[in-house]
Amino acid sequence: EAQVTQNPRYLITVTGKKLTVTCSQNMNHEYMSWYRQDPGLGLRQIYYSMNVEVTDKGDVPEGYKVSRKEKRNFPLILESPSPNQTSLYFCASSLVGPNYGYTFGSGTRLTVV
Amino acid sequence: AQSVTQPDIHITVSEGASLELRCNYSYGATPYLFWYVQSPGQGLQLLLKYFSGDTLVQGIKGFEAEFKRSQSSFNLRKPSVHWSDAAEYFCAVGASGTYKYIFGTGTRLKVLA
Repeated sequence: EAQVTQNPRYLITVTGKKLTVTCSQNMNHEYMSWYRQDPGLGLRQIYYSMNVEVTDKGDVPEGYKVSRKEKRNFPLILESPSPNQTSLYFCASSLVGPNYGYTFGSGTRLTVV
Repeated sequence: AQSVTQPDIHITVSEGASLELRCNYSYGATPYLFWYVQSPGQGLQLLLKYFSGDTLVQGIKGFEAEFKRSQSSFNLRKPSVHWSDAAEYFCAVGASGTYKYIFGTGTRLKVLA
């Protein structure tokens, strides 16, 4: 089944403790992206990747890192999480760019205390 | 730069009634337009997309949308709503030649039995 898999689905952590949210797709998509979803603010793009080893900042990149060492994987790293990063996070992939339409993961609900 | 507006935050319809969700965009050229649905606890799922050609686009789950350039709109419609259509719906717009992609803030649909 074609899908984007995120882990974990839920995560509660403490301020400053480094964490990684994994994302993997099995559709051989070149383009991958991370979004955060907050009430009243909709979906905001954090980072995106056009292909292996090629990444760029989205609209809200501060406090996040990404890497794209393999085509299928695009982990999101929070090196020192803060409470304002409490949010619902989505990984999404697309064939060569978002104008082809996204396939989304099921989301990771992160709480930073 | 493009922008997208979903004027209705909440809409309530009775099961079996028709549905129209509004989406207005701003973009200088012909945009790439999309509708996604997000069921509770799930990621977004692509319903349909418009690139060019026929301005009436058919999607999954019995949905359709019509591109109206003169009104800068891409409204989503369904002739008869089912209780399982209760969800949040997002319009999105992409720009030609870039990776810029904007989501609307969503319309939450409630279906009355």
